[in-house]
Amino acid sequence: EAGVVQSPRYKIIEKKQPVAFWCNPISGHNTLYWYLQNLGQGPELLIRYENEEAVDDSQLPKDRFSAERLKGVDSTLKIQPAELGDSAVYLCASSPTGSSKEQYFGPGTRLTVT
Amino acid sequence: AQSVTQLDSQVPVFEEAPVELRCNYSSSVSVYLFWYVQYPNQGLQLLLKYLSGSTLVESINGFEAEFNKSQTSFHLRKPSVHISDTAEYFCAVLGQGGSEKLVFGKGTKLTVNP
Repeated sequence: EAGVVQSPRYKIIEKKQPVAFWCNPISGHNTLYWYLQNLGQGPELLIRYENEEAVDDSQLPKDRFSAERLKGVDSTLKIQPAELGDSAVYLCASSPTGSSKEQYFGPGTRLTVT
Repeated sequence: AQSVTQLDSQVPVFEEAPVELRCNYSSSVSVYLFWYVQYPNQGLQLLLKYLSGSTLVESINGFEAEFNKSQTSFHLRKPSVHISDTAEYFCAVLGQGGSEKLVFGKGTKLTVNP
């Protein structure tokens, strides 16, 4: 069974540029999460989807961050414009419906903003 | 809301020595508890979890953790570590019947030296 797939693995951009990250969850997993992991910190939840509905986006900085999961499968997280402080690892995870106890993580996208 | 404190940011040990990584949590409701491991440039992998029942839980690679409700702790132990155990370890808590939000500690970097 394939795991959670994320791309790109690494991204370097200049500040004020836009950037997008893509995630494909494990087949059959209806719940999808995006996490932010700063250097030396644990992951922090940005947004959680149940199918195509964002059920918890309280930690998503909506002035510059957006996310979508149009068909309830893969998802895209976007930052526009990027700031220096956005340099971090962006992790995607998925779980069976309504089961946050079984989260499977992708390898992450390491973003560097210069 | 829940919070997690990992008391040691770095733990260096010699190969075949025992190790304990400490984790304390705070919560106003009952919790589920998790340990995740993150190898360099990889996503998080679930190491073990406490959901209910026996307070001592074990992983397939020799780690164990014990849920102590009175001390609000979930320390991770291994009697004899290997070089390959070098990684970052994250403790996480999920409140029961709440927001389905997994809250992570800041992580403990375990370095096993020959």
